[in-house]
Amino acid sequence: QVQLQESGPGLLKPSETLSLTCTVSGDSVSSGSNYWTWIRQPPGGGLEWIGCVDYSGSTKYNPSLKSRVTISLEPSNNQFSLELSSVTAADTAVYYCARGEGYSNYPIPYWGQGTLVTVSS
Amino acid sequence: QSVLTQPPSVSAAPGQKVTISCSGSYSNIGSNYVSWYQRFPGTAPKLLIYDKNKRPSGIPDRFSGSRSGTSATLGITELQTGDEADYYCGTWDSSLNAVVFGGGTKLTVL
Repeated sequence: QVQLQESGPGLLKPSETLSLTCTVSGDSVSSGSNYWTWIRQPPGGGLEWIGCVDYSGSTKYNPSLKSRVTISLEPSNNQFSLELSSVTAADTAVYYCARGEGYSNYPIPYWGQGTLVTVSS
Repeated sequence: QSVLTQPPSVSAAPGQKVTISCSGSYSNIGSNYVSWYQRFPGTAPKLLIYDKNKRPSGIPDRFSGSRSGTSATLGITELQTGDEADYYCGTWDSSLNAVVFGGGTKLTVL
């Protein structure tokens, strides 16, 4: 059974860098054809795909966030991570890590429980 | 503003059938199958439907999906009060090179 768990600070100040880690069990981040994915949901809002990384370290990013986002693999710990720079209050959201299937339709069957990140001065 | 368009809310009585629409364009729904997700407050989304009307293990056949052109539809039959949740559609957009989602539809079972 694939399980994912997010970890990282829950409170940031404007202009700081958000850093989250996703620990994966039941699968390997360094093999297979899956997309290791970050998605967020602001309070009262809808889902927003942030981006993903595959087993080789190749990344895809949401064009609206691309200038501020870095997603990377940490194979030695079977983890992948998210960095989002220069955060503002608009980045306040529940952040989910997930495993997407590695083909064009991109279904996402496995999700972490989500972690709330609040940006406030 | 979401790339995919869903109605904000739908409602129906227990035992009835409801459909939730998801409208897009050729670069997303017109080119790739939509996935449907169910989300209860405070929990992560759960995949309900993917590809051409496939269901993950454990999802009852009361849930179904279809596509026509650049629109997709989630159908739920034999509605139960436990189906009250938010439902999202999502797929890959070949022009944006990104996953796009609908804004979500709140289902109320009266």
